[in-house]
Amino acid sequence: EVQMVESGGGLVNPGGSLRLSCPASGFGFSGTWMSWVRQAPGKGLEWVGRIKSRTAGGTTDYGEAVRGRFTISRDDSKNTLYLQMNSLKSEDTAVYYCTALASSGGIIFDIFWGHGALVTVSS
Amino acid sequence: DIQMTQSPSSLSASVGDGVTITCRASQTISSHLNWYQQKPGTAPKLLIFGASSFQSGVPSRFSGSGSGTDFTLTISSLQPEDFATYYCQQSYSTPYTFGQGTKLEIK
Repeated sequence: EVQMVESGGGLVNPGGSLRLSCPASGFGFSGTWMSWVRQAPGKGLEWVGRIKSRTAGGTTDYGEAVRGRFTISRDDSKNTLYLQMNSLKSEDTAVYYCTALASSGGIIFDIFWGHGALVTVSS
Repeated sequence: DIQMTQSPSSLSASVGDGVTITCRASQTISSHLNWYQQKPGTAPKLLIFGASSFQSGVPSRFSGSGSGTDFTLTISSLQPEDFATYYCQQSYSTPYTFGQGTKLEIK
């Protein structure tokens, strides 16, 4: 059974930092591309960023809203995905989901989703 | 960035009805189009990838079609558990943008 449980969410002041963790099990984590998707309260889904597997180069890509402030990393020895969030703004308030990406016929999709972690940026 | 536009934003229908949701990309994305279903308080769930391929376990009343810039998600005979919000997403190029969502409500 696949399990991905985000942790590290909470209340943080504007300008502050927070790190989310997402330990994963039930699939081959080290060979899987991973991503973060967020959802502001009452709003739609927003793609945060993606990290490739180490064998694919381990590179990252980010959405414009977080580029330069957020960093995605992974520790394959711990089967864990991370999201380091710096210079947080009120508009970063959202539920953050970690996802596992799969590919079929060259099509990439979010096949597994965590339960989400709420991050609230407020003074 | 590729913009994804869904229509309608909301839709009311009855159990047994058929409905269609459309998604348009701001540039061609071939068949790199996925559909997700989200129920309140839960994470999204993959329904369809590659515009028309079913994720395992998805009922056959769901179908997807399209390529290039225009795509549709059709539910042939609504069941009570289908009332949810649906999102399209392009994975042709990063950032993998989502549509704004279509909320399907019971009439």
